[in-house]
Amino acid sequence: GIQVEQSPPDLILQEGANSTLRCNFSDSVNNLQWFHQNPWGQLINLFYIPSGTKQNGRLSATTVATERYSLLYISSSQTTDSGVYFCAPPEANNLFFGTGTRLTVIP
Amino acid sequence: EPEVTQTPSHQVTQMGQEVILRCVPISNHLYFYWYRQILGQKVEFLVSFYNNEISEKSEIFDDQFSVERPDGSNFTLKIRSTKLEDSAMYFCASNKGPTEAFFGQGTRLTVV
Repeated sequence: GIQVEQSPPDLILQEGANSTLRCNFSDSVNNLQWFHQNPWGQLINLFYIPSGTKQNGRLSATTVATERYSLLYISSSQTTDSGVYFCAPPEANNLFFGTGTRLTVIP
Repeated sequence: EPEVTQTPSHQVTQMGQEVILRCVPISNHLYFYWYRQILGQKVEFLVSFYNNEISEKSEIFDDQFSVERPDGSNFTLKIRSTKLEDSAMYFCASNKGPTEAFFGQGTRLTVV
């Protein structure tokens, strides 16, 4: 099956800093989602990004399907950005989640 | 904005008891899923459901698990005889097809 690797596994940022989270995957994919799991455990959809770049406020994502990676950029981080960020490419018709990047933003 | 809703948000059950977790997918979606997340671990696929039947299931989804769409709106996951290791967050998701999937807020199941 597909392998998904996310880096870094843990990240601590000062409020206001920028960061880049990476997701590498082993198979070619035709879509990919990024999620934020907040401290209450909810999975929040961030991006559905098969390829190219999308932006939503302070967040943006880029997927280069031919090179099998996706990046999530967080700019001007806030404490509410804390949580775990998962990328999830498809496996068959389902999503295969990576192990996540745990982000802690300190004031 | 349409959303996937799950009930209950938290359930505590005794080992060996049956539990039913409930989900109301987004109304015009056709594909429904259950995932689980053991505390501190990643989210794992359990089962997908389309056209009133299971379309795919993982190794985790053994005979203790079953899914049902009892009416036009609800989608349920039943665990027949719960074990301690079934303690996890269970997420329901839905989508229209091979497109963006939307997740419910989860049901935290604690087996004691």
